[in-house]
Amino acid sequence: AQKVTQAQTEISVVEKEDVTLDCVYETRDTTYYLFWYKQPPSGELVFLIRRNSFDEQNEISGRYSWNFQKSTSSFNFTITASQVVDSAVYFCALSEAGNYGGSQGNLIFGKGTKLSVKP
Amino acid sequence: GAGVSQSPRYKVAKRGQDVALRCDPISGHVSLFWYQQALGQGPEFLTYFQNEAQLDKSGLPSDRFFAERPEGSVSTLKIQRTQQEDSAVYLCASSRDRGGRDTQYFGPGTRLTVL
Repeated sequence: AQKVTQAQTEISVVEKEDVTLDCVYETRDTTYYLFWYKQPPSGELVFLIRRNSFDEQNEISGRYSWNFQKSTSSFNFTITASQVVDSAVYFCALSEAGNYGGSQGNLIFGKGTKLSVKP
Repeated sequence: GAGVSQSPRYKVAKRGQDVALRCDPISGHVSLFWYQQALGQGPEFLTYFQNEAQLDKSGLPSDRFFAERPEGSVSTLKIQRTQQEDSAVYLCASSRDRGGRDTQYFGPGTRLTVL
């Protein structure tokens, strides 16, 4: 069965610290997509990144970086030099190509990690 | 640019009332999804449309929930005879292609409170 686990419920750091948010996924599909979304206190889900299962290259975007490792079914997210504006709930999500039927590409979310960055 | 919009942003209903929640997807997006997000949880899938066709409604929690997208653009999620357990944020998302292949962009959500 497909599943996304974010073991860290809450993380609190001081500004300028680096922080890594963990994400572990389960799927039977060989083709799948992984996402990270940010949900600030305003409530809207903001898209951060999408990776497909065939692309294991790590990605860096400014202070954000993502480490995708198929061998451990993990897709971790690191914020370097955190800032107060990074405070939010971060969700990791999975969608499948539907090779095993049933899935139409809906996202399966983890429970989220609440990040608090203190000044 | 125009993103996904939802209305109303907040809705308070008395138990037993019917409610209708509206979603305007990004123009030209083929796929539209509805999710339900309970407090402190991740969003959970309700239903999926590809154009006007509802291809998956496996996540709808009961037959009191009904969704439509008659012209392949705007969608409405209707909840009949609301119950307290229906209190949640209802999120709409759209994607250019089939959702699994493409990024889903979310609206701001409708926060439903059932008293």
